[in-house]
Amino acid sequence: GDSVTQMEGPVTLSEEAFLTINCTYTATGYPSLFWYVQYPGEGLQLLLKATKADDKGSNKGFEATYRKETTSFHLEKGSVQVSDSAVYFCALSDGYALNFGKGTSLLVTP
Amino acid sequence: NAGVTQTPKFQVLKTGQSMTLQCAQDMNHEYMSWYRQDPGMGLRLIHYSVGAGITDQGEVPNGYNVSRSTTEDFPLRLLSAAPSQTSVYFCASSESSGASYEQYFGPGTRLTVT
Repeated sequence: GDSVTQMEGPVTLSEEAFLTINCTYTATGYPSLFWYVQYPGEGLQLLLKATKADDKGSNKGFEATYRKETTSFHLEKGSVQVSDSAVYFCALSDGYALNFGKGTSLLVTP
Repeated sequence: NAGVTQTPKFQVLKTGQSMTLQCAQDMNHEYMSWYRQDPGMGLRLIHYSVGAGITDQGEVPNGYNVSRSTTEDFPLRLLSAAPSQTSVYFCASSESSGASYEQYFGPGTRLTVT
């Protein structure tokens, strides 16, 4: 079945550092890919999405490109802030439900 | 718009007790779903609904029941709580069940079963 694998955390970075969180997927069809973010004590919020190969999703300085040839959707940000500290989930959908990775915890220190 | 609301925020149950987790959305979304979040497991789908009167099972449906009598509400029932059901439960909704639609999540219910 469909599945998502993302790098394990926690990831600790200093403010203004470059961030990459790796995400790869397995799917039989042509899924849409998502990154959701969960701030402490809150529900998940959509960060960005891409619905077809070579699409780039972007939001709040974060970017991810849907790479069909490497089945990847890595999340990147050029300069992280303390306020980016959260848990990040990669997910795919081929219709009725989201299939989530296990989440990557990010801590950004001043 | 309130978005997706869930009640209660916290609940403690004894083994064998039953309860209903409430979920409501005011966005007129067709699709609603329930997930549970466990440490190191990500989120797993329990049940989902593609419209009023239509529900189906997700990845981990055992021990849970759902119904969808209105577009707005999608309650999750625990029939006889077990410690393995200790988790954080999230309700989500989206405009449609298509792959590209964003899902909107509620704030969650933290359930402890002793």
